[in-house]
This record gives sequence, structure tokens and C-alpha cells, in this order.
Amino acid sequence: GDSVTQMEGPVTLSEEAFLTINCTYTATGYPSLFWYVQYPGEGLQLLLKATKADDKGSNKGFEATYRKETTSFHLEKGSVQVSDSAVYFCALLRIQGAQKLVFGQGTRLTINP
Amino acid sequence: EPEVTQTPSHQVTQMGQEVILRCVPISNHLYFYWYRQILGQKVEFLVSFYNNEISEKSEIFDDQFSVERPDGSNFTLKIRSTKLEDSAMYFCASSADYGYTFGSGTRLTVV
Repeated sequence: GDSVTQMEGPVTLSEEAFLTINCTYTATGYPSLFWYVQYPGEGLQLLLKATKADDKGSNKGFEATYRKETTSFHLEKGSVQVSDSAVYFCALLRIQGAQKLVFGQGTRLTINP
Repeated sequence: EPEVTQTPSHQVTQMGQEVILRCVPISNHLYFYWYRQILGQKVEFLVSFYNNEISEKSEIFDDQFSVERPDGSNFTLKIRSTKLEDSAMYFCASSADYGYTFGSGTRLTVV
């Protein structure tokens, strides 16, 4: 079945460091790919998405490129801030049927000043 | 921007009691969902609902759970005879085409 694997957390970085959170997926067909962010005590917010191969999603300085050849959708940011501290979830969406989102296990990111 | 609204934000219930979690999806969305996140774990799909019936459900969604769209705006998740392991954050979501929106969640604590 469909699945998403994220790099193990937690990840702790200093402010202004470069961030990469790895995400790979297994799916039949060509799913859409997403990154969601969950700030402490809050719900899930869509951070960015890509719907086809080679698409790059971007938002708030974060980027991720849909790589079909490596089945990956790694999240990157060039210079992180303390306010980026959150849990990040990679997810895929099957195009057919009821559009069920399949989530990775989440990566907790802590940015120290 | 349209929102998915969930109530209550936090519910505490005794083991064995029934709870109903409520959601108001975005009005022009056609698909409705419930997801669950046990503390510190991944977000798990429970059920999807389309055209007034369940379109898909996970193995978690057993006979203890049911969903209903009692009127044109609400979408509810009922958990009968709650267990301690039902303690989790429950997220409602709705979608249309590729637009997927989550509510802010209901934290259910079973004691």
C-alpha cells in the first residue's frame, strides 16, 4: 500500500542554519505530495504542495521538489528561524477515490537562538 | 479564507461513555474525513465520507465508531463506549479537487 517515510527526529538546529528534512514515498500511480506543519498545541497547516513530477512547492522560505525518479520530496530551508520550531509531516494524496492523505511519522524541529 | 470548524476543542470523558465530535466542513466541499493523532505519533486516516455514505475506512474504524452528516452543514464522529486508547487529537477535514483543509482538532481525553 501507499506509505511515506520521513527522517527520524528530533532535529535541533541553530538559527540561520540550513534545514533538510528527508521524505520518501511509495505509491501506485502519481500522487500529489504535501508538507504539513503543526505548531505546538495547534492543528495541521498546509505548508506547501506539488502535484506532479519536477514541480517545486514553496512557501515561507521552505521548498520541496517532487522527484519521481527517487520518489522523494525533501523539505529545505536556507536559513531557519526560532519560529520554525514545529513538527513537520510529509504526506501523499492518492488521486483516485476519496483522496485519502497518507502521512509520514512527523519530524520534530527545534531551532535554538 | 474558508475554514473547517471543530467543536469542542477539548473533551474529557469517562471510559465507557459515548462521545460525539462535531465538525462543520467548508460549504462547497464534497469529501469529508476524520483523522486521528495519538500524542506524539503520526496522523492516521480513520474514514472518508462522500455522497452521504462512507467511501473508505481504515482498520482503526471499527464498530465502535460511526459518522453522520445529520444536516447540510455538520459532520460528526461518534465513539461508542470509549476506551483509554481512544485518547487522541481528532482532526476533521474536507476537500474538493486538490483543496484539502483541516480543522484545528478536538483533543479527546478518556479517563
